[in-house]
Amino acid sequence: DQQVKQNSPSLSVQEGRISILNCDYTNSMFDYFLWYKKYPAEGPTFLISISSIKDKNEDGRFTVFLNKSAKHLSLHIVPSQPGDSAVYFCAASAWYSGGGADGLTFGKGTHLIIQP
Amino acid sequence: SQTIHQWPATLVQPVGSPLSLECTVEGTSNPNLYWYRQAAGRGLQLLFYSVGIGQISSEVPQNLSASRPQDRQFILSSKKLLLSDSGFYLCAWAPLGAYNEQFFGPGTRLTVL
Repeated sequence: DQQVKQNSPSLSVQEGRISILNCDYTNSMFDYFLWYKKYPAEGPTFLISISSIKDKNEDGRFTVFLNKSAKHLSLHIVPSQPGDSAVYFCAASAWYSGGGADGLTFGKGTHLIIQP
Repeated sequence: SQTIHQWPATLVQPVGSPLSLECTVEGTSNPNLYWYRQAAGRGLQLLFYSVGIGQISSEVPQNLSASRPQDRQFILSSKKLLLSDSGFYLCAWAPLGAYNEQFFGPGTRLTVL
């Protein structure tokens, strides 16, 4: 049973345009969400996070939106650059709800391809 | 600053051979430590986590095991590798008390032939 779902295995976006990556979750106990970026043959790197008390968090070109009623979050990258081409993982935890040390539940990832 | 190391970076092993992957963390004390596997098209699967020396929790039953002989050392092992053990293995750490923030190592690409 997949509790964090990224339904788009890949996404192709033109350089300079907006990239929107989507993530859905089913566990209503999740209250902290993260996005990681991963290049081939490297470990994931933390990108941006959001807690359930917010509906938006912005960091430079990256903005994460959270819709708790829909159990949906999205990552917006504006403008998209060639270096953004990578696999993006959505992750969730029940941090404020007293989740355990096992921590994060990851989605399967979306491969973002930025075309020149 | 904190640093996490994994080795080897790549490994090719025959079926039935043993495995030992090592992960060490520098610059922090009492971290939570994690082993993940990324198999093709399957995202990141948590295999083991540890909240302290000698304390191991297993998330997925399999022929792998983990050990934490020192505070900042985490080892993934197998006595006999299977073809299905091929994948990209990632070690991660989280600060004490902040389990929702995990930082990953560079990973080990394991190919079992």
